[in-house]
Amino acid sequence: AQSVSQHNHHVILSEAASLELGCNYSYGGTVNLFWYVQYPGQHLQLLLKYFSGDPLVKGIKGFEAEFIKSKFSFNLRKPSVQWSDTAEYFCAVSKLFMNTGFQKLVFGTGTRLLVSP
Amino acid sequence: AAGVIQSPRHLIKEKRETATLKCYPIPRHDTVYWYQQGPGQDPQFLISFYEKMQSDKGSIPDRFSAQQFSDYHSELNMSSLELGDSALYFCASSSSSAGGTYEQYFGPGTRLTVT
Repeated sequence: AQSVSQHNHHVILSEAASLELGCNYSYGGTVNLFWYVQYPGQHLQLLLKYFSGDPLVKGIKGFEAEFIKSKFSFNLRKPSVQWSDTAEYFCAVSKLFMNTGFQKLVFGTGTRLLVSP
Repeated sequence: AAGVIQSPRHLIKEKRETATLKCYPIPRHDTVYWYQQGPGQDPQFLISFYEKMQSDKGSIPDRFSAQQFSDYHSELNMSSLELGDSALYFCASSSSSAGGTYEQYFGPGTRLTVT
């Protein structure tokens, strides 16, 4: 079965600490990879995405992620977190169907990040 | 820029009632997706439509139905509501002509509470 695994369910950091959230997926073939953030009570917002090309992608708010195809991983990083980064982070994968292009997003279980001031 | 619009934003229903959620995709987007996010859960794919035809189906209960209309908006109809249907329902839209990226843009969600 297709799946997305996020290794850390809860992460607590102090401000200015570095962040790395792990994400692994189990699809073969062409995939699109995403990280979404969900602030408390709010909707999903796209942080960054990978479709092709440079495996190191930069997103909004200082986040970046690296796609390592051989490891089926797409880890999210930020060098220095802020209190305002407190949120839930979801890794998501979609598989490209060449004929139709229709693709649902499969989400990981999410990581709740708490940044203490 | 225009975003995905969902209505209503909040909905409270009683058990066994029906509910209709609406989604208006970004203009010129031809594909709509519905996701359900239970409390403390990750979003789960329900169903998607492309050019008014169902394109994919996920874990959508038989009590739910959905369709996409000629103006590309979509409605999710939920009948015989159960307490477990309480969740945040997201709609997303994408364009099949967007250079092959098919990036999904999410709406703000409808929070359904079943009492």
